[in-house]
Amino acid sequence: DAKTTQPPSMDCAEGRAANLPCNHSTISGNEYVYWYRQIHSQGPQYIIHGLKNNETNEMASLIITEDRKSSTLILPHATLRDTAVYYCIVRVEYSTLTFGKGTMLLVSP
Amino acid sequence: EAQVTQNPRYLITVTGKKLTVTCSQNMNHEYMSWYRQDPGLGLRQIYYSMNVEVTDKGDVPEGYKVSRKEKRNFPLILESPSPNQTSLYFCASSPTQWDVNTGELFFGEGSRLTVL
Repeated sequence: DAKTTQPPSMDCAEGRAANLPCNHSTISGNEYVYWYRQIHSQGPQYIIHGLKNNETNEMASLIITEDRKSSTLILPHATLRDTAVYYCIVRVEYSTLTFGKGTMLLVSP
Repeated sequence: EAQVTQNPRYLITVTGKKLTVTCSQNMNHEYMSWYRQDPGLGLRQIYYSMNVEVTDKGDVPEGYKVSRKEKRNFPLILESPSPNQTSLYFCASSPTQWDVNTGELFFGEGSRLTVL
């Protein structure tokens, strides 16, 4: 599976959009981009995934660049409860999820 | 409520004393998996199971055993625990590993194990 690069930490003000970047420059054509998050010592929680097109659900939006070498997870109105470690994972269809170190997002009042 | 339930949530034990961490899911999922999480090392897969009676090693299987006799249960067995197995353990399940469009792994709340 392609490796991902994420900043180790980011800050965001409550109520503002949080934009979390992920670089996956070696992604191949059949690899999907997944995002999970983990709130302090709880089990990771699925957020969203996509292949080529931008995706949106009730939690977040996923923007994938046209060349698919990077993506951005957008939390449109961050709240204090969004403080967590966010994992960007690329995965080919018949493989398991491999979690990296992720980005620690701190949402402040 | 759809959930993955792990027990115990916290356990302190001593070296060599066999223990089992149970995992149960109520979503009729085929795929189940165990991870451990350690500071600086992230989440690492121990074992996984694609269906009843089918189990495979993950990245760090040494010192662990699993079984999948029923679809809903996937216990993690430490036959002779050692201090390097002190960790936070997570069980997870999904409808199937193969269907990428399901995407979603459901995780349990975690079991914090300390081996003295």
